[in-house]
Amino acid sequence: GAVVSQHPSWVICKSGTSVKIECRSLDFQATTMFWYRQFPKQSLMLMATSNEGSKATYEQGVEKDKFLINHASLTLSTLTVTSAHPEDSSFYICSARDGDRESQPQHFGDGTRLSIL
Amino acid sequence: GQNIDQPTEMTATEGAIVQINCTYQTSGFNGLFWYQQHAGEAPTFLSYNVLDGLEEKGRFSSFLSRSKGYSYLLLKELQMKDSASYLCAVKNSNYQLIWGAGTKLIIKP
Repeated sequence: GAVVSQHPSWVICKSGTSVKIECRSLDFQATTMFWYRQFPKQSLMLMATSNEGSKATYEQGVEKDKFLINHASLTLSTLTVTSAHPEDSSFYICSARDGDRESQPQHFGDGTRLSIL
Repeated sequence: GQNIDQPTEMTATEGAIVQINCTYQTSGFNGLFWYQQHAGEAPTFLSYNVLDGLEEKGRFSSFLSRSKGYSYLLLKELQMKDSASYLCAVKNSNYQLIWGAGTKLIIKP
């Protein structure tokens, strides 16, 4: 149980393109989902917390107009990188928690490797 | 500030035992998680500690001392597939998850 699906797994596109990444909880409902970014050999960096039916909570330094998050249902959150540039190239990972208890671990999608040319 | 400290890299031999340490300074404590991350893949959950002591789960065990701000992950009977990065993460008083940079574990035959 507690499977999180992320799509696409790999994107290569030109500078200026907008890219949408989907994150789905397949066998549970997720009120809250999390979006992370990870650069090579570095730790996970939380970008934003996505709340179903309300606005996302962005971490300091993350541009909300650049990284648009929509959590339209209890099983789907999307991250759109608008007008992507080479510096946005990174590994983007979503996660969700099955249940409201804080002891529940986050379950991660397989990640999306984004390369902007 | 808040930070999680782990060794950057460790090397161990197949079949042996290795202990990966994690020390933390956070604003409050609401649990500590260990995750495994293979190169190019997303993290997978290994263990959760919120009370002092040892939690055992098969070949993996995790220990916590809240008074010392210290945890370790113990891996027994190492296998080649255990080569990965191991991430320590602490949930603070605001229930934010603070992540360590990870320890890259290299297993040699």
